[in-house]
Amino acid sequence: DVKVTQSSRYLVKRTGEKVFLECVQDMDHENMFWYRQDPGLGLRLIYFSYDVKMKEKGDIPEGYSVSREKKERFSLILESASTNQTSMYLCASSLGRGGTSAKNIQYFGAGTRLSVL
Amino acid sequence: KNQVEQSPQSLIILEGKNCTLQCNYTVSPFSNLRWYKQDTGRGPVSLTIMTFSENTKSNGRYTATLDADTKQSSLHITASQLSDSASYICVVSPNSNSGYALNFGKGTSLLVTP
Repeated sequence: DVKVTQSSRYLVKRTGEKVFLECVQDMDHENMFWYRQDPGLGLRLIYFSYDVKMKEKGDIPEGYSVSREKKERFSLILESASTNQTSMYLCASSLGRGGTSAKNIQYFGAGTRLSVL
Repeated sequence: KNQVEQSPQSLIILEGKNCTLQCNYTVSPFSNLRWYKQDTGRGPVSLTIMTFSENTKSNGRYTATLDADTKQSSLHITASQLSDSASYICVVSPNSNSGYALNFGKGTSLLVTP
């Protein structure tokens, strides 16, 4: 089974702190994604990566950056946390992308619930 | 604008009963449609994935249907169990080489009561 592991289930940080959210997948997937999920808004894509050291902005990248130094690890960075970044953060990975192949199914981690005070 | 609309927003049913969740989308051209189940406090888990040429796909007590002409999909749950209580998310992928470009519905929250 695919396993996507997020380093923390719950995190409490203060405004202005630099925050690192870590995600590791064990299936040699090419693609990794960071989403945030808020009530009434659904999942929104922050950043994604197709390859090591490669990153692309999603729909809401402002206030975030990412790092992918190794294929299995994708980190989300909040440079200066703000209260409006309080949310559930979900990491996902997929083997393929595009077309109709089922191999582009995204597998999600358990999520990190971040509270910024 | 939200290109994937789910209904109802929430639903309460008795254990053992059947239910059907709806997903209407405007994404075009369309590649595939997926249903995910998300337990409270957990990440979403894939239930089914259907291409535009498929009409139905089953996964145990879950059956998804797709009408690509009317751009509608439904997820039918048979003989519901307490463990079916979760949020069900419809996800539509446009027909492009950008596999990241998923359109998420806001989900239907299902509560199964004893």
